[in-house]
Amino acid sequence: AQSVAQPEDQVNVAEGNPLTVKCTYSVSGNPYLFWYVQYPNRGLQFLLKYITGDNLVKGSYGFEAEFNKSQTSFHLKKPSALVSDSALYFCAVRDRNSGNTPLVFGKGTRLSVIA
Amino acid sequence: DSGVTQTPKHLITATGQRVTLRCSPRSGDLSVYWYQQSLDQGLQFLIQYYNGEERAKGNILERFSAQQFPDLHSELNLSSLELGDSALYFCASSVEGGIAEAFFGQGTRLTVV
Repeated sequence: AQSVAQPEDQVNVAEGNPLTVKCTYSVSGNPYLFWYVQYPNRGLQFLLKYITGDNLVKGSYGFEAEFNKSQTSFHLKKPSALVSDSALYFCAVRDRNSGNTPLVFGKGTRLSVIA
Repeated sequence: DSGVTQTPKHLITATGQRVTLRCSPRSGDLSVYWYQQSLDQGLQFLIQYYNGEERAKGNILERFSAQQFPDLHSELNLSSLELGDSALYFCASSVEGGIAEAFFGQGTRLTVV
């Protein structure tokens, strides 16, 4: 079975500081990994994904994520946080061998960027 | 705008009632997924359809059912509603699984009173 853990319910960071939102995953095979962001009263918006190749993936709004196979992690990062980055962030996984199956999401991490 | 349209945006109904939520996927997407988001449970997968056929089932209650029509729009039917069914219901679509990300609608907020 596939699963995702986001160990922090809430992350607080000062504007201009680097931010990290953590994600670890569990799949039987190799993963496809995704990050989404949800602003208040909105649907989830796709940020970036890891398919294969370079372990550092760059996405929308200056976000990037690093895939670490040995640690089964896919942490979301941004060098300099903005107040507008405050939102709910979800990590998701799909087993590469499972074909056309739904994404499995973590419970989400609320990011608060303080001015 | 993700291209996925969900209606209605808000729904308030009484316990025991039945409602239907509608989703129009992005043009060209054959897969439709339904998710339930509640405060304590996070984002829970309910059911997936691919080109009109049920592909995967998650934590969907027997009181809930869904279908995908020939024009690829999908409906989620919730019956005998209980207070605990109050949640945000999302529809998402994708061209295919595997490497494809899913695009989400803005959701239907259901309140059962």
